[in-house]
Amino acid sequence: EPEVTQTPSHQVTQMGQEVILRCVPISNHLYFYWYRQILGQKVEFLVSFYNNEISEKSEIFDDQFSVERPDGSNFTLKIRSTKLEDSAMYFCASRDTGTHEQFFGPGTRLTVL
Amino acid sequence: GQNIDQPTEMTATEGAIVQINCTYQTSGFNGLFWYQQHAGEAPTFLSYNVLDGLEEKGRFSSFLSRSKGYSYLLLKELQMKDSASYLCAVRPLAGTALIFGKGTTLSVSS
Repeated sequence: EPEVTQTPSHQVTQMGQEVILRCVPISNHLYFYWYRQILGQKVEFLVSFYNNEISEKSEIFDDQFSVERPDGSNFTLKIRSTKLEDSAMYFCASRDTGTHEQFFGPGTRLTVL
Repeated sequence: GQNIDQPTEMTATEGAIVQINCTYQTSGFNGLFWYQQHAGEAPTFLSYNVLDGLEEKGRFSSFLSRSKGYSYLLLKELQMKDSASYLCAVRPLAGTALIFGKGTTLSVSS
């Protein structure tokens, strides 16, 4: 069964450093999303991406964040100058055209020290 | 604004039936979703409702009343593996992003 994959599973970084979280969406899906979940809190929407551009973003997704689809399979989230409060689980999700279900990847746990 | 409320915790025993409620107040509405999330894992899709009524899928059913801003997830014949968080999420009219509630942690005991 096709699935969304994410790498790395766990990333530890120092405050102020840049990190890139990687996702491989399901191959025929065209809609991509990033969500985050701070430990013990709810899942929060960050950004959605379609046709090589951002289609929607939340107030969390400020200039510190960027997304890119560098090739036909990868979808990345870059966080510049990380802060302690960026520590969270980051989930990538993808969705097929004409369907409602978003398929979530296993997540990357980001720890900022 | 967006507000989605669900109980924080629920407990039940194996073989029982449990109903998890969700109320929402959102600026738009284009569907309500239920996801299951085991500790430390990704959310997995359970159900989608956009019209009023009950959607049944095996042991799980989901109900929606748009006029009341209310949904519930019904789990029958509970099993230990059903111990997880159940997330209610709304897709506002304006886009396809999901807005999640805080989730209901269900503990199933034998």
